[in-house]
Amino acid sequence: DAKTTQPTSMDCAEGRAANLPCNHSTISGNEYVYWYRQIHSQGPQYIIHGLKNNETNEMASLIITEDRKSSTLILPHATLRDTAVYYCIVRAFNTGGFKTIFGAGTRLFVKA
Amino acid sequence: SAVISQKPSRDICQRGTSLTIQCQVDSQVTMMFWYRQQPGQSLTLIATANQGSEATYESGFVIDKFPISRPNLTFSTLTVSNMSPEDSSIYLCSVEVSVYGYTFGSGTRLTVV
Repeated sequence: DAKTTQPTSMDCAEGRAANLPCNHSTISGNEYVYWYRQIHSQGPQYIIHGLKNNETNEMASLIITEDRKSSTLILPHATLRDTAVYYCIVRAFNTGGFKTIFGAGTRLFVKA
Repeated sequence: SAVISQKPSRDICQRGTSLTIQCQVDSQVTMMFWYRQQPGQSLTLIATANQGSEATYESGFVIDKFPISRPNLTFSTLTVSNMSPEDSSIYLCSVEVSVYGYTFGSGTRLTVV
């Protein structure tokens, strides 16, 4: 799996957009960008994924640069409950399972 | 996505003993993954469990310490053997059943005293 680089921590004011960057300069053509988050003491939760187009769902938006070497996860209106560790992962998709290596992630603090 | 039932949710164990963690999935999956998360750290993959074959362990993890069973396509166990305080961690199982990536169990918080 390609490696990713994320800032260690970030702060965001409640109600504002949280923009979490991720660098993945060695991503391969068949690898997707996945984002997960882990709220304290819980298992990681899927947020969103994309290949090369920008994606949006009810939780977040994912912006992938044209060269695919970096991406940004956007939480449009951060709430206190969005305080968590956010993991950016790049990997090929294979139904049935393909091991995933987690990096350190970004610890997002949403402040009132 | 899949639903995983993982138990126990937490336990406090004496050093030198063993604990077996169970994961039950509500659908058949080829691979199940076991992770460890030490306090304040990210997730570290322990092993990949395939049904019908021996688990594949990551560097730094060995079968004698973390034996894994995978008797069918919906169930797996991880045993933490001969425990020491350094084994105090959260242990998580996960599966991937769709393009939406991994589903994780709720985790087992292990404290070794």
